[in-house]
Amino acid sequence: GDQVEQSPSALSLHEGTGSALRCNFTTTMRAVQWFQQNSRGSLINLFYLASGTKENGRLKSTFNSKESYSTLHIRDAQLEDSGTYFCAANMNYNQGKLIFGQGTKLSIKP
Amino acid sequence: AQTIHQWPVAEIKAVGSPLSLGCTIKGKSSPNLYWYWQATGGTLQQLFYSITVGQVESVVQLNLSASRPKDDQFILSTEKLLLSHSGFYLCAWRQNSGNTLYFGEGSRLIVV
Repeated sequence: GDQVEQSPSALSLHEGTGSALRCNFTTTMRAVQWFQQNSRGSLINLFYLASGTKENGRLKSTFNSKESYSTLHIRDAQLEDSGTYFCAANMNYNQGKLIFGQGTKLSIKP
Repeated sequence: AQTIHQWPVAEIKAVGSPLSLGCTIKGKSSPNLYWYWQATGGTLQQLFYSITVGQVESVVQLNLSASRPKDDQFILSTEKLLLSHSGFYLCAWRQNSGNTLYFGEGSRLIVV
């Protein structure tokens, strides 16, 4: 089965509001990365976490390896935040293999 | 600063024709290199990775092959394309001692 379960699959927010995306892992992961994929397909690095919480502007991410989940919080959403967000987790540090979630399509409405 | 360049940006190819997608990394010696594939509207799946020149490991083949002829170059190819090869191909790199993965801009392939 899927080792990375991402939710929700789609999310619509009005400008200025916020929400959270979540990834649950069915096996122990050593680290997680969050990406934003824009309309051109480019994957923009948002966060890399081996543990704990990181914040960058209006985004905040947490990785709890013991409870096997990670979250991405967006606050004060802006139109440019639209896109598809992916979490991706490392099972081990060798190989660099990332297992991606199914993605969350985020739409921001004026 | 490191840069990653993929080519071509997009291509439309016929079933049964050959394919070659390229990826170069500048500004970083001996990076770990990766190929990922994304079906339209889908998630990303790792295809190959390479830790050093001349060495490539397959994760999921999908009737494709990869080669690393130079330290800064990673090539994805096949002699005969299938319709199922359509999608978005992304090259990525990371420092061999680090963990963050950085992606290129991708190559979009349509097989008709």
